[in-house]
Amino acid sequence: SQQGEEDPQALSIQEGENATMNCSYKTSINNLQWYRQNSGRGLVHLILIRSNEREKHSGRLRVTLDTSKKSSSLLITASRAADTASYFCATRGNTGFQKLVFGTGTRLLVSP
Amino acid sequence: EAGVAQSPRYKIIEKRQSVAFWCNPISGHATLYWYQQILGQGPKLLIQFQNNGVVDDSQLPKDRFSAERLKGVDSTLKIQPAKLEDSAVYLCASSLVEGTLFSYEQYFGPGTRLTVT
Repeated sequence: SQQGEEDPQALSIQEGENATMNCSYKTSINNLQWYRQNSGRGLVHLILIRSNEREKHSGRLRVTLDTSKKSSSLLITASRAADTASYFCATRGNTGFQKLVFGTGTRLLVSP
Repeated sequence: EAGVAQSPRYKIIEKRQSVAFWCNPISGHATLYWYQQILGQGPKLLIQFQNNGVVDDSQLPKDRFSAERLKGVDSTLKIQPAKLEDSAVYLCASSLVEGTLFSYEQYFGPGTRLTVT
């Protein structure tokens, strides 16, 4: 079963607007990662946030993590048409060789 | 740096036939993963190798799926016999290090889209 559940399932915005996607998970984690998938470049790692971190930035991306609520959010600022893709959160547990468990994804459409 | 290579990119077979997928990870990456991604869902791990040893194959349907990683480099994933529900994209990924407590980013190949009719 998949641990992460993204919300919303689909999001449609205009270029220049911000896009926020949320991820909720069920069990304790070592880290949480966000990936982007589009037809052109496949599945690509965006950012990793560890369980002892609360916020992380990478370019136009901002990720927050609230372990007490078992949730994370991904904010894309000043979105571009090229940001159109599906975004997945993936969690890894904190013992042994815990596998990376992907959520169901948010489909983002950015219109020019 | 060359990425993860997979072949074929597309495959159409009839149910009960067999099929094999090939993956060549990024040079030097000790960990290799095979994922199944059904349309509209996130990738699901089928099997994880560390060098040529299996770390996790708990979600691999072993009655029909098999995978090997000879010499700790290339890997093949086989389905025999295929069922309609095996229609999916099969993704191969690799990562540089797989520690017991830390997770490094995974690099994914383009995938093989399998259609079982």
